[in-house]
Amino acid sequence: GEDVEQSLFLSVREGDSSVINCTYTDSSSTYLYWYKQEPGAGLQLLTYIFSNMDMKQDQRLTVLLNKKDKHLSLRIADTQTGDSAIYFCAFSDTGRRALTFGSGTRLQVQP
Amino acid sequence: NAGVMQNPRHLVRRRGQEARLRCSPMKGHSHVYWYRQLPEEGLKFMVYLQKENIIDESGMPKERFSAEFPKEGPSILRIQQVVRGDSAAYFCASGYRGGVGNTEAFFGQGTRLTVV
Repeated sequence: GEDVEQSLFLSVREGDSSVINCTYTDSSSTYLYWYKQEPGAGLQLLTYIFSNMDMKQDQRLTVLLNKKDKHLSLRIADTQTGDSAIYFCAFSDTGRRALTFGSGTRLQVQP
Repeated sequence: NAGVMQNPRHLVRRRGQEARLRCSPMKGHSHVYWYRQLPEEGLKFMVYLQKENIIDESGMPKERFSAEFPKEGPSILRIQQVVRGDSAAYFCASGYRGGVGNTEAFFGQGTRLTVV
């Protein structure tokens, strides 16, 4: 099965860029997602990328995929205090509809 | 169009009791997924259902846990004879065939189960 690793914690200052990293083991992953979870809330889909793409930009969010190194990252430009949350990478393949999640990175934004 | 609705939001059960968690998918969605999140961990897949069918239950514990998604009404995740280790947040997600990536899922706010 898929093994997914994320660093546990990231602290940045407001206005700086944040980069959240994720590594995975299963190269058959077809779809790769980033979710945001605020305290006591459910998961909000932020963005996704197909495995045949290297990069996707969506306003302040940039997703980079390095298939060779099996590394996925999420860059948040001009990080705001409202971005403080836990960020999960997740994967799926066409053969199985369920998502496999990383353990989450807690982003703390200092004013 | 209301989002995925889960209830109750918080549930407290004593050891040995039964817990019933409900999930109403978004309108037009025929697929439901249940995930469990233990404290300080990511979500783990439990079961995937379509109306009246269990499609993938590879993440369900073999005993005490069951799920259904009847033709009418919400999906139910049932935990019999709860133990302290069942304390977790249980999330439901709904989707439809043809959604982005086949598995783009909209999540509910979760039910936080506490077993005392």
